[in-house]
Amino acid sequence: AQSVTQLGSHVSVSEGALVLLRCNYSSSVPPYLFWYVQYPNQGLQLLLKYTSAATLVKGINGFEAEFKKSETSFHLTKPSAHMSDAAEYFCAVSVSFSSASKIIFGSGTRLSIRP
Amino acid sequence: ETGVTQSPTHLIKTRGQQVTLRCSSQSGHNTVSWYQQALGQGPQFIFQYYREEENGRGNFPPRFSGLQFPNYSSELNVNALELDDSALYLCASSSGGLAGNEQFFGPGTRLTVL
Repeated sequence: AQSVTQLGSHVSVSEGALVLLRCNYSSSVPPYLFWYVQYPNQGLQLLLKYTSAATLVKGINGFEAEFKKSETSFHLTKPSAHMSDAAEYFCAVSVSFSSASKIIFGSGTRLSIRP
Repeated sequence: ETGVTQSPTHLIKTRGQQVTLRCSSQSGHNTVSWYQQALGQGPQFIFQYYREEENGRGNFPPRFSGLQFPNYSSELNVNALELDDSALYLCASSSGGLAGNEQFFGPGTRLTVL
């Protein structure tokens, strides 16, 4: 069964520092992987998605993620954190079953930014 | 282009009551998925509707049911509400039900069961 695991429920970095949020996936087939961001009291916004076209995926707001098959990882990075990046981040995998598809989310990582 | 909208924004019910949540899909999308997000957790898949038919369901009891209308908007109905049903309910629309198709999420409905 396909799944994702996010390492670290809470990450705190200083403004201007590197952001690294970790995600490992489990899949027997090439996965469709996503990173979503959720600001307080809001829905989910797609940051980026991996669909096997390129291993380094660039997303919105300066975020990017690298798909590493050998490590079964899809970590999210941003070179320089901004206060507005404080939010909950979810790694997710999209799976097909019967005639439908569903997104399986990780448990989330809360990112805090220190001034 | 109008995004995914949900109504109401917030809702308070008591145990045993029934609730209906509504979702309008993004223009051009024929597939709607519903997710439940309990506090502090990631969203959990409830079910998916494609062209007015439920075509996939997660691990939720039958008291969670839905509808999709000809204009592809959708409703989520929950009967016999329990305290554990308190959560943010998210609707997502997409063009087709294939994995890899981007799902666009609405802002959610916050349901509180007392």
